[in-house]
Amino acid sequence: GNSVTQMEGPVTLSEEAFLTINCTYTATGYPSLFWYVQYPGEGLQLLLKATKADDKGSNKGFEATYRKETTSFHLEKGSVQVSDSAVYFCALSGGADGLTFGKGTHLIIQP
Amino acid sequence: NAGVTQTPKFQVLKTGQSMTLQCAQDMNHNSMYWYRQDPGMGLRLIYYSASEGTTDKGEVPNGYNVSRLNKREFSLRLESAAPSQTSVYFCASSEWHSNTEAFFGQGTRLTVV
Repeated sequence: GNSVTQMEGPVTLSEEAFLTINCTYTATGYPSLFWYVQYPGEGLQLLLKATKADDKGSNKGFEATYRKETTSFHLEKGSVQVSDSAVYFCALSGGADGLTFGKGTHLIIQP
Repeated sequence: NAGVTQTPKFQVLKTGQSMTLQCAQDMNHNSMYWYRQDPGMGLRLIYYSASEGTTDKGEVPNGYNVSRLNKREFSLRLESAAPSQTSVYFCASSEWHSNTEAFFGQGTRLTVV
């Protein structure tokens, strides 16, 4: 079946540091890949997506590239802000039952 | 545009009580889902409805039932609540059941004592 593995954290960085959150997946076929963000007390919001190999999704300074050869979709941002503190979920969608999620990475940005 | 609306936002139940979590979406989506979120476990799928008139079990269906009332509404019922069902519950919807993003409600924080 489908599965997603991501670093769980917490990941603590200083403001303006470079961010990478690793995500790898196992899936049959050609899934779409997503990053969602969850701020405290809220539901999940779509951050970015990629629907085929070599696609790059981007939003709010975050980027991730769909790498089929390494089955990865790592999230990156060049300079993080305190407001980026949240939980980030990697997910894939390829079957009838919707999205398969990783366990989430808690990101803490210190001023 | 309200998106996905869940009620209630918070609920405390005693063991053995029953309740229904309500979910409605106004995006004309075909597919709807119920997830639970627990610390260190990510989101786990309880039940889903790929299209109006169909429902299927997800990863953790035991102790739950669902009803796809119409295209807009998808409810989750706990017939006899147990402490193990203490969790945050999220409803989501998507245009189709595969390869499209899902939109989430704000969640229901349920405590069973």
